[in-house]
Amino acid sequence: NAGVTQTPKFQVLKTGQSMTLQCAQDMNHEYMSWYRQDPGMGLRLIHYSVGAGITDQGEVPNGYNVSRSTTEDFPLRLLSAAPSQTSVYFCASNGQGGTGELFFGEGSRLTVL
Amino acid sequence: GQQLNQSPQSMFIQEGEDVSMNCTSSSIFNTWLWYKQDPGEGPVLLIALYKAGELTSNGRLTAQFGITRKDSFLNISASIPSDVGIYFCAGSAESNYQLIWGAGTKLIIKP
Repeated sequence: NAGVTQTPKFQVLKTGQSMTLQCAQDMNHEYMSWYRQDPGMGLRLIHYSVGAGITDQGEVPNGYNVSRSTTEDFPLRLLSAAPSQTSVYFCASNGQGGTGELFFGEGSRLTVL
Repeated sequence: GQQLNQSPQSMFIQEGEDVSMNCTSSSIFNTWLWYKQDPGEGPVLLIALYKAGELTSNGRLTAQFGITRKDSFLNISASIPSDVGIYFCAGSAESNYQLIWGAGTKLIIKP
């Protein structure tokens, strides 16, 4: 059972570069989301989607774009990376109509120099 | 914005001891969730609570939804080495799509 798969697991970028973090789930979940985790701050919601073609902003959306063309995939794009975006990024999905019981991927550790 | 205060930040315990941690909110929540994160992995759901006063167990873990709806606690009985990790509380006041997370409690077992 793959669950939620994130790639890459590690990435180093230079300031100003762009990249896409990939997220795929095979559980047919309608809801998908992206979080960032910084030391001592818990998880903060970046963007989320309640279904294909629908996305919305979370708590910290600036500097990130998302799209949801299929139920399975929810990529996160950094348009112009900044050192403040150095973090661990988690993708999560939920198949129970918004109960908050999220299934997480293993995370993508991003360093911006 | 809303904040969750989770305490303690870290705990050093002996194997076999009971553990207690809690979260408090500045506003009323209608859902409380407790997750555990192991190193290099994503959080995994331990217990979900949906009603004020609800007390739910999952093996050696017990969590309660505070009667004021502004707090929740998690107890672990007879801790074992695999209990080490970071425990997060998370709550939702409105839509369950926007969870608010505590900063985590790091559990460390003394050798």
